[in-house]
Amino acid sequence: EAGVVQSPRYKIIEKKQPVAFWCNPISGHNTLYWYLQNLGQGPELLIRYENEEAVDDSQLPKDRFSAERLKGVDSTLKIQPAELGDSAVYLCASSLGGMNEQFFGPGTRLTVL
Amino acid sequence: GDSVTQMEGPVTLSEEAFLTINCTYTATGYPSLFWYVQYPGEGLQLLLKATKADDKGSNKGFEATYRKETTSFHLEKGSVQVSDSAVYFCALAHNAGNMLTFGGGTRLMVKP
Repeated sequence: EAGVVQSPRYKIIEKKQPVAFWCNPISGHNTLYWYLQNLGQGPELLIRYENEEAVDDSQLPKDRFSAERLKGVDSTLKIQPAELGDSAVYLCASSLGGMNEQFFGPGTRLTVL
Repeated sequence: GDSVTQMEGPVTLSEEAFLTINCTYTATGYPSLFWYVQYPGEGLQLLLKATKADDKGSNKGFEATYRKETTSFHLEKGSVQVSDSAVYFCALAHNAGNMLTFGGGTRLMVKP
């Protein structure tokens, strides 16, 4: 069974440019999470989806970040415009919901120049 | 709010040495506790978990016991292997939403 798929794996952009990350969760997983992992730190939750509904986005910087999960499957996280401080790894995870195990993708490493 | 504190790394050990990575937490109520591992170039993987006080989680020779009185969940392994070299993250989650709060991670390097 395929795991959580994320693309691209690496992205280098100049500041003020827009960028988007894509996540395809494990089939049948209705809960999807986006985490931000700064270098040398643990992941921090940005947003959680239950099917297509964002049920917790309190940590998402809404002035420049947006996310969507159309049809309750794939999800896209966007930054517009990107800032130098956004350089980090963006992780996607999915689960069957409740306290079931979260399965993580390999992440997208963003570098903003 | 919730927080998790881990010992800073890197931790460097020789093969077959005993491993302890300390983890303490601050949280309201009774969270579930987890250890995740991140091998080079791979995503985070759940290593073990414990859902209530005095529970012991174990997997692949690693174990950790949920100590409510000391708010700790230290990771131990009796004999490490080179293949255990990775970054280990301690985390907690409450039942509502299962949103993980992670510690900063501890890098383990095992030398032959």
